[in-house]
Amino acid sequence: DAKTTQPTSMDCAEGRAANLPCNHSTISGNEYVYWYRQIHSQGPQYIIHGLKNNETNEMASLIITEDRKSSTLILPHATLRDTAVYYCIVNFGNEKLTFGTGTRLTIIP
Amino acid sequence: DTEVTQTPKHLVMGMTNKKSLKCEQHMGHRAMYWYKQKAKKPPELMFVYSYEKLSINESVPSRFSPECPNSSLLNLHLHALQPEDSALYLCASSLYGQGRYGYTFGSGTRLTVV
Repeated sequence: DAKTTQPTSMDCAEGRAANLPCNHSTISGNEYVYWYRQIHSQGPQYIIHGLKNNETNEMASLIITEDRKSSTLILPHATLRDTAVYYCIVNFGNEKLTFGTGTRLTIIP
Repeated sequence: DTEVTQTPKHLVMGMTNKKSLKCEQHMGHRAMYWYKQKAKKPPELMFVYSYEKLSINESVPSRFSPECPNSSLLNLHLHALQPEDSALYLCASSLYGQGRYGYTFGSGTRLTVV
């Protein structure tokens, strides 16, 4: 699976859009981009995933660049409950989901 | 039912004890996973069961013994653990053993070995 690079930490004001970047420059054509988050002392929570096209669901939007070497997770109106560690994972859709170090997002009141 | 249920939520055990962690899901998922998470670190994969057969063992010490009695249940048997095995143990499941549908994680069992 391709490696990902994420900023260690980010802050975002409550009510604003939180944009979390992820670099995956070695991604191959059949690898998906997944985003999970983990709120303190809970299990990770699946947010969204995509292959080539941008995706949106009730939680977030995922923007994947045309060359697929990077992506951005967008939380449109961040709330305090969005404070968590966010993991970007690139995977062939197989059984082995490997977590990197993630981005610690803090929502500021 | 859209949850993965893990019991117990907390466990304290001595180094000579034998204990088991239990994980249950009723979503019809055919792949189930055990992860270990140390404080301030990302989860690390331990075992994968696909259609009730062990498909991945990430070189986990034999003091951890997984078991999948049926498609809804996953156990992790613990014996002769060390204090460094203290961690949050997470169970997850997915639909067909393919991550493209996303994994559903339980809330974990926080294990302390004394």
